Amino acid sequence: ETGVTQSPTHLIKTRGQQVTLRCSSQSGHNTVSWYQQALGQGPQFIFQYYREEENGRGNFPPRFSGLQFPNYSSELNVNALELDDSALYLCASRAWATNEKLFFGSGTQLSVL
Amino acid sequence: AQSVTQLGSHVSVSEGALVLLRCNYSSSVPPYLFWYVQYPNQGLQLLLKYTSAATLVKGINGFEAEFKKSETSFHLTKPSAHMSDAAEYFCAVSSAGGTSYGKLTFGQGTILTVHP
Repeated sequence: ETGVTQSPTHLIKTRGQQVTLRCSSQSGHNTVSWYQQALGQGPQFIFQYYREEENGRGNFPPRFSGLQFPNYSSELNVNALELDDSALYLCASRAWATNEKLFFGSGTQLSVL
Repeated sequence: AQSVTQLGSHVSVSEGALVLLRCNYSSSVPPYLFWYVQYPNQGLQLLLKYTSAATLVKGINGFEAEFKKSETSFHLTKPSAHMSDAAEYFCAVSSAGGTSYGKLTFGQGTILTVHP
């Protein structure tokens, strides 16, 4: 149990729709990262948020966006869903500027039909 | 740019046998290296990490890894496999620095099967 919770656990959407995934960070962690893990692949870094601002982004288009709230919970929003967006989305939290390890949630499995 | 290559997408061992999972990395700056384990329908759990201290790193559940700069490798080993070790293992690399700590580059993963 890492203290990082994600909701929902599973989600089915249709191509072209929009989706919001939620993450509650571990207590005391002010930084959150989001990863996309396609079937049979390693996780890929989407972006990181610190103090409610994006702080580092991977190779993902602008239709992937996020929010971090003052209580350090966060959201991942994906617009105009494509079939290739089907994946497990993982959120991970940590304390900024330390060598603290990342604590991963169990993920949200998104299926786009 | 950083990258990770895990040699062997599937490794099968007998219970009690040596576990060796291979990882090679590429990094233009001194790397931080990690091994994570993922059980079905779960997130990632950190096994161990190398952050420029001792080159032989001991982790949880009897796993260890050795950082070899000359070989750009960070292979994961365990002397005696248990059935409970069956899972998918990921090697990952990042750089030092606040922004970089949360940005990991993962390998493709290695599925470890343990036979009775």
